Amino acid sequence: GAVVSQHPSWVICKSGTSVKIECRSLDFQATTMFWYRQFPKQSLMLMATSNEGSKATYEQGVEKDKFLINHASLTLSTLTVTSAHPEDSSFYICSARGTSGRSETQYFGPGTRLLVL
Amino acid sequence: SQQGEEDPQALSIQEGENATMNCSYKTSINNLQWYRQNSGRGLVHLILIRSNEREKHSGRLRVTLDTSKKSSSLLITASRAADTASYFCAIIVGPGANNLFFGTGTRLTVIP
Repeated sequence: GAVVSQHPSWVICKSGTSVKIECRSLDFQATTMFWYRQFPKQSLMLMATSNEGSKATYEQGVEKDKFLINHASLTLSTLTVTSAHPEDSSFYICSARGTSGRSETQYFGPGTRLLVL
Repeated sequence: SQQGEEDPQALSIQEGENATMNCSYKTSINNLQWYRQNSGRGLVHLILIRSNEREKHSGRLRVTLDTSKKSSSLLITASRAADTASYFCAIIVGPGANNLFFGTGTRLTVIP
């Protein structure tokens, strides 16, 4: 099946620093990638949708200047949490949707756990 | 909110028993999907059922969809300890729509 990777899997940083998370589709080209955030024991909440080569579409309540998304190629999207604060600590999950065939299925990465001290 | 709701929130059963989880939603949908998440890990896609389908099977999984009641159920038969995980339903609202709206999830524990 399709594989999506995320890097890093864990990150601990000091308050005020910026953190970049990469999401890669390893064996398929992804026209659309999605970024989700999940707090402990809660559901996934969509943060933003990005299409290759265009600006990301952010969900209501998500600050686009704080969560910078770059979808530079059909296999790579990055999420940068700028000036991270403890309340940004969460589990960030990306997913990717393919370009061919039935593209209803999103393939999820393993997630990145961010802890801001 | 377009987010689905699932019940029960938590379910604990003995190995070999069947597990049933329910999902309800509020809007019209294009399709509904079920995902599994092991603790602290990413999501694994289990099954997709379209709005014009009523039932779908995949191995030990059986999914039903009742669009008149805006509800779906996931049945796992002959459960195994390895089925212990959180299960989420997610809906896609319209044709060509991108966004998956996730339910609140059911935490399933299968006791060996």
